[in-house]
Amino acid sequence: KNEVEQSPQNLTAQEGEFITINCSYSVGISALHWLQQHPGGGIVSLFMLSSGKKKHGRLIATINIQEKHSSLHITASHPRDSAVYICAAWGGSNYKLTFGKGTLLTVNP
Amino acid sequence: DVKVTQSSRYLVKRTGEKVFLECVQDMDHENMFWYRQDPGLGLRLIYFSYDVKMKEKGDIPEGYSVSREKKERFSLILESASTNQTSMYLCASSRRDRAPDLLFGPGTRLTVT
Repeated sequence: KNEVEQSPQNLTAQEGEFITINCSYSVGISALHWLQQHPGGGIVSLFMLSSGKKKHGRLIATINIQEKHSSLHITASHPRDSAVYICAAWGGSNYKLTFGKGTLLTVNP
Repeated sequence: DVKVTQSSRYLVKRTGEKVFLECVQDMDHENMFWYRQDPGLGLRLIYFSYDVKMKEKGDIPEGYSVSREKKERFSLILESASTNQTSMYLCASSRRDRAPDLLFGPGTRLTVT
C-alpha cells in the first residue's frame, strides 16, 4: 500500500514569499497529481506529472521518481493562493489514487 | 464549460433518515467516484463506477450504497444516516484512459443530527 506524506501540514507566509510544499510517497508510481482546494470550495486540478517539471503561471511542480518525492512551488505568493494543497499518487494499474492529508497554506497581505 | 455538479451544497438530515446525494457530469466520462473528506484524514474513496450499472467498493463503503443507471449520473445513498457520516462528500469523474485525471464537483457538506 502506498503511503503519501505531505509537509508541512500548515504553512503561513507573507505576500510575495516563495512557497514550497513537499510530497513523499513510499511505492513507485506512474503519476502524481497536485490539487488545490479553497476554503468551502471544490477541488481543482493543478498538475498531473510523471517526470521532470511543469509550470503554470506562478506555480511550478517537480517530481523526482528515484527519490519518490515531489514539490509544489509558488513564486511571488498572493493572498488568493491561500488554500489547501493536496498531492495524490497513482500507481498506474487501476483507478485508485492515494491522497496526502493536505497542506493548509495561508498567505497574509 | 465542462463540469461536475452535485445536487446540494449543504444538507442537514436526522439520524436514521435515508439520504440521496446526486452527482451529474456532462463530459461523457466513463469513471465516476464518491469520496468523503474529513479533517486530518484527507480524501477517502467510498465507491467507484467505471460504467453504467457497474460499481466497485472503495476504502470505506460501509453504510453506503451507490446507483449508476445512466452514464452521466452517479448517486450515493446513505440507507440510514448516522452522526459519524457527517462529512464533506465529493463526487469526481474521469475518462477511462485517464483514470487519475479527476474532475471534482463542488462538494456537499452533510450534517447528520
